[in-house]
Amino acid sequence: GQNIDQPTEMTATEGAIVQINCTYQTSGFNGLFWYQQHAGEAPTFLSYNVLDGLEEKGRFSSFLSRSKGYSYLLLKELQMKDSASYLCALYGGATNKLIFGTGTLLAVQP
Amino acid sequence: EAQVTQNPRYLITVTGKKLTVTCSQNMNHEYMSWYRQDPGLGLRQIYYSMNVEVTDKGDVPEGYKVSRKEKRNFPLILESPSPNQTSLYFCASRGQGGRYGYTFGSGTRLTVV
Repeated sequence: GQNIDQPTEMTATEGAIVQINCTYQTSGFNGLFWYQQHAGEAPTFLSYNVLDGLEEKGRFSSFLSRSKGYSYLLLKELQMKDSASYLCALYGGATNKLIFGTGTLLAVQP
Repeated sequence: EAQVTQNPRYLITVTGKKLTVTCSQNMNHEYMSWYRQDPGLGLRQIYYSMNVEVTDKGDVPEGYKVSRKEKRNFPLILESPSPNQTSLYFCASRGQGGRYGYTFGSGTRLTVV
């Protein structure tokens, strides 16, 4: 199986840094995605990690450690518009299957 | 503009009345997929398609059908909708080797009464 675990909710302050963790148990996968989803809207792509290490993209960074079954999304200089759900998803196999965690709802407060 | 288009955005229907949610993409993507999203359960895959005339079940296929007669279209069919199919549905597509994952449609909020 590919159990994917994320915290259900997090709260952070505008201007701060927040780290959203994702742990998983799987026999194999090609890469790990992070998506952002505002309430009632479609998920939008944030990052994709194939190799271990940190991928930086402006205010957003994502880290992967395959040996530890662990990833995190780091959001810097938080803005109110970052209030959303953040979805961790494993991608793999010939079928291009994308399996999602249940997501972390982030609330950014003034 | 590259996009995945779903219709309708909102639909209220009655139990047992057949319905189809359409999905079309203009990116010439091979892979297409349907997800449903429910509170506390996240996005769960219903069906997916690797190319024209190639479809397979995802994690929650019961009560749904799909077809892929053309590359751009991947409709989701509910032959006899039931209240437990009330959900938010997303269609998504992906090209070969794309590192941007799936591109999602805007969603269809379905209510079955």
